Amino acid sequence: GNSVTQMEGPVTLSEEAFLTINCTYTATGYPSLFWYVQYPGEGLQLLLKATKADDKGSNKGFEATYRKETTSFHLEKGSVQVSDSAVYFCALRVEIGNEKLTFGTGTRLTIIP
Amino acid sequence: SQTIHQWPATLVQPVGSPLSLECTVEGTSNPNLYWYRQAAGRGLQLLFYSVGIGQISSEVPQNLSASRPQDRQFILSSKKLLLSDSGFYLCAWSVQATGRDTQYFGPGTRLTVL
Repeated sequence: GNSVTQMEGPVTLSEEAFLTINCTYTATGYPSLFWYVQYPGEGLQLLLKATKADDKGSNKGFEATYRKETTSFHLEKGSVQVSDSAVYFCALRVEIGNEKLTFGTGTRLTIIP
Repeated sequence: SQTIHQWPATLVQPVGSPLSLECTVEGTSNPNLYWYRQAAGRGLQLLFYSVGIGQISSEVPQNLSASRPQDRQFILSSKKLLLSDSGFYLCAWSVQATGRDTQYFGPGTRLTVL
């Protein structure tokens, strides 16, 4: 079956620190990979995505590279801000048509000034 | 532009009571629709998805059900709530087209069953 394993939180960093949130996956097909973000009190928003090996998704200073050889899609940001405090979900999709997403458990990130 | 609405935003219900959560999408036609649940300390779990009116697929066995009476309306229901039904319920939609693989989420409903 399909599954996503991501770094357990919570993660607490100081402002301007470097961020890495690990995500690895198992999939029966060739998945598309996503990072979603959930800010406090809000629903999920797509942060970035990659649809094939070696693609790099990027948005708002965040990046993630689709690594097929290591089945990973780690989220990185060079310098985090307080406003990045949120829960981050890694997800994959393998079926075209109904577009079901399989999510990881989420990683809560807190940035302190 | 497309928008997705969910209501209510929060709900506190006693065990054994019925449930009805509503989700509507504006600005698009024939979307795929999804219900997810986020239980405390756990990730998102897909509960139901729908590719058209009256077409519902269930991902996990449970005491919840879903219906799609109109193209852009998706309802999550229960006849008798359990304590384990507490959680944050998210509705999402996506475009029905190959390569259009982004899902857009609503603001969610936080359900507490006491």
